[in-house]
Amino acid sequence: EAQVTQNPRYLITVTGKKLTVTCSQNMNHEYMSWYRQDPGLGLRQIYYSMNVEVTDKGDVPEGYKVSRKEKRNFPLILESPSPNQTSLYFCASSPQAFTSSGNTIYFGEGSWLTVV
Amino acid sequence: KNEVEQSPQNLTAQEGEFITINCSYSVGISALHWLQQHPGGGIVSLFMLSSGKKKHGRLIATINIQEKHSSLHITASHPRDSAVYICAVKIQGAQKLVFGQGTRLTINP
Repeated sequence: EAQVTQNPRYLITVTGKKLTVTCSQNMNHEYMSWYRQDPGLGLRQIYYSMNVEVTDKGDVPEGYKVSRKEKRNFPLILESPSPNQTSLYFCASSPQAFTSSGNTIYFGEGSWLTVV
Repeated sequence: KNEVEQSPQNLTAQEGEFITINCSYSVGISALHWLQQHPGGGIVSLFMLSSGKKKHGRLIATINIQEKHSSLHITASHPRDSAVYICAVKIQGAQKLVFGQGTRLTINP
């Protein structure tokens, strides 16, 4: 089954404690990206990756890091989480960057993160 | 002003009604996506459009590139259609999606 898997799904953590949200896809997609969703602001892109070892900033990259060492994995790292990073996070993948016909976007189930 | 605007923000209708959700954008795009977000939070892709019209079951999506406008229609709406519907555009020359704020649809039995 084609899927994007995120972990953890739910996490409460404390300010400053480093955490990683993992994302894995089983479709051999080139393009992967991370978004956060906040009330009234909608979905905003944090980082994206066009392929292995190719990553770039989205609209709200501050406080986050990513890496793409393997095609299937794209972890999101919060080095020193702060309360303003409390949000719902989504990982997504697509064969290419959303342009070719039939390029469906696949989203993970979301990760609810609370920083206290 | 947001690059992608959806209307209405909230829509409540009775089962069986014909539903229309609108999306307008102000930038050049290479594709437009309609997404559905379930009450539990998960997001699924409904359509990707670069021109014309697509139909899947009771869902129809249209796009007018000249007018920078897209619509999502639901025929014979059902309570299980209750969700947030999100329009997202792929901006020309940029490797990202820009999202509308979403339309919260509630279908009452």
